[in-house]
Amino acid sequence: DVKVTQSSRYLVKRTGEKVFLECVQDMDHENMFWYRQDPGLGLRLIYFSYDVKMKEKGDIPEGYSVSREKKERFSLILESASTNQTSMYLCASSSPGAGETQYFGPGTRLLVL
Amino acid sequence: QKEVEQNSGPLSVPEGAIASLNCTYSDRGSQSFFWYRQYSGKSPELIMSIYSNGDKEDGRFTAQLNKASQYVSLLIRDSQPSDSATYLCAVQLGGSARQLTFGSGTQLTVLP
Repeated sequence: DVKVTQSSRYLVKRTGEKVFLECVQDMDHENMFWYRQDPGLGLRLIYFSYDVKMKEKGDIPEGYSVSREKKERFSLILESASTNQTSMYLCASSSPGAGETQYFGPGTRLLVL
Repeated sequence: QKEVEQNSGPLSVPEGAIASLNCTYSDRGSQSFFWYRQYSGKSPELIMSIYSNGDKEDGRFTAQLNKASQYVSLLIRDSQPSDSATYLCAVQLGGSARQLTFGSGTQLTVLP
C-alpha cells in the first residue's frame, strides 16, 4: 500500500511566521504535489515536482515555495504566513507506472491568526 | 472556463437506490480519468480510474467514459449511508502533463 504522510494534522501559526509543511511518501514515486482545499473552491494545485530538485508552479503558487532534496520528501514553505493562507493542505504522490493515480496524505489543517 | 465540471449538488438518494455522478471536461486530449471519494475532514481516496471508452465495474461502482462527448460518470448501485461523501472527478490533461485537474466535487447523501 502506498503511504503518504504529512508532518502535522493541525497547525496554528501567527501572521508573518515562516511555516514548513512536510510530506513523505514510501513508494518511490517520481511525482509529488501540494494542493490546498477550501470550501467551494475544490482542490487547487500549488506546486508539483517530477524529480529531485525539480519544481513546477501550479495554479496558485503565490506566497508559497517548495523544496525537494530527496525523492521521498516534498516540503511546502509559507515564507510569511497570512490569514488568507488558512486552509487544508494536501500532499499527493504518483508514478507514471501506476497510471498517474495520485495518492493523498491525511492533510494538514493550517490556521493563521 | 473551468476545465472539469461536475454536476452541482448536493445530491440525495434513498438507501438502496442508484446514485449517478457526472463530470465533463474541456480538453479533448485528456487521457486518464479518476473518481475520488472524500469524507468530511478526510483526504481524498481513489475509487476508480478509467482510461478507455466504455464501462468499468468494481463492486457496486461503475465508471463510464465517453471521450467523444467528453463525459465521465460514476454510478453507485445499492447506495449505502456509508457512501455519503463528496465525490471528486479528476482528469489528466493531454500532452505530457502529469498533474490532475479536479472538479469541485459533488456532495452525496444517502438517506437511510
